[in-house]
This record gives sequence, C-alpha cells and structure tokens, in this order.
Amino acid sequence: KAGVTQTPRYLIKTRGQQVTLSCSPISGHRSVSWYQQTPGQGLQFLFEYFSETQRNKGNFPGRFSGRQFSNSRSEMNVSTLELGDSALYLCASSTGISYEQYFGPGTRLTVT
Amino acid sequence: AQKITQTQPGMFVQEKEAVTLDCTYDTSDQSYGLFWYKQPSSGEMIFLIYQGSYDEQNATEGRYSLNFQKARKSANLVISASQLGDSAMYFCAMRENTSGTYKYIFGTGTRLKVLA
Repeated sequence: KAGVTQTPRYLIKTRGQQVTLSCSPISGHRSVSWYQQTPGQGLQFLFEYFSETQRNKGNFPGRFSGRQFSNSRSEMNVSTLELGDSALYLCASSTGISYEQYFGPGTRLTVT
Repeated sequence: AQKITQTQPGMFVQEKEAVTLDCTYDTSDQSYGLFWYKQPSSGEMIFLIYQGSYDEQNATEGRYSLNFQKARKSANLVISASQLGDSAMYFCAMRENTSGTYKYIFGTGTRLKVLA
C-alpha cells in the first residue's frame, strides 16, 4: 500500500506571497490532518478534513485554509506569507475512525 | 496549560541497553488515547505505539512498550535493546475527544542518541 505523499517537498517563497501544499492520503483513508512544526512551537495541529468537510480546527489565523477533494486528497493554502510561517508542514492520513495516523514526509517551507 | 509534558529534551543510551522516555499528560476526558511517534532526521513521523485510556494492559509493539500509569497520568515509552537506528526525536501525543471529534496534541519531544 502506498504511503502518504506530500508535494512539493521543499519550497521557498517571499513574504506576502501565497502557497499551496498538497497531500495524498493512503488509499481508503478519508481523513487528512495538517500540522505545522517549528523549533519554537513544536508540532501544532492546523485542521482536519474528513469526507471533504473540515471536522476540526486548531488555533491558527484565517490565512491558513484547506480543502479536501472527493478522492480524499487535501490541499493547504497559506496566504500573505510571513517569516514566521517558515516550518515543516506535515499531513497525516487516517481512516477517520481508528486512532492511527500515518504521516507524510512533510513539506519544508522557507519564507524569505 | 501544557497538556503533554516531556521533561527530557535529550537522552543518551548505550547500544543494546534499555531506555525510558518520560511523558505526562493532562486531560479531564475519560476516553482518550496516548501515542508515541519517532521522527528521524528525515522529518517523517513514524507511529510507534498506542495506549487507550481504558486499556488495562500496557501496550507493546516489538521492542517498544508503553508504561501506562493512569492515576499518575503518565505514559512513558520504554525501548528495549536500543539500536543505533533508534537515534531520533520521540514525541508523545494525546488524542482528545472534543465535541465528538478527535484532536491531537503533541509534546515538545525528546531527542534520543544511541551510542555505539
């Protein structure tokens, strides 16, 4: 079974730009969660999508948004990028019912 | 308030020895789950072990075991017979049931270095 894939793996953007990250979950998994990992704040939950609906949301500003498609692939968008948005963005896939989450390799975003 | 506390920022262990990574948690939920993940330098988070709040026996997965002490709200990870490949960051996490949906909270991690 193929694992969770995230594209792109690395990204460099300038302040004020926007960015879209993609996550393809494990086949059959309907839930995708997004996390931001930084040295200062650690791993923080952004949001979770299940069957194309946002089911849960962390404490991030509205510049962070996401969506999920009918094939369960998910995208995360960050608008008006700030230097502090530089981070490793991880997505995790699960059935949405069981407890296990399987993480992708992450997208490392650098904002200059 | 920190809901998951990992008090050991870094740990060293000799190859083939056992090591315990500490984790305490705080929740008022009766039903919750506790997890440990490993994150090598490559960045990918790898699921290691899970313990449900109602599970009476400690979870074990190969060389990994979770020492669950519910009254003390601790969920320590024990790695037996350490290997060089165990060198990584280890994160303790909790799944809370918030209004019928799950939310995951992670600790700050412990960096483990296995010495040859």
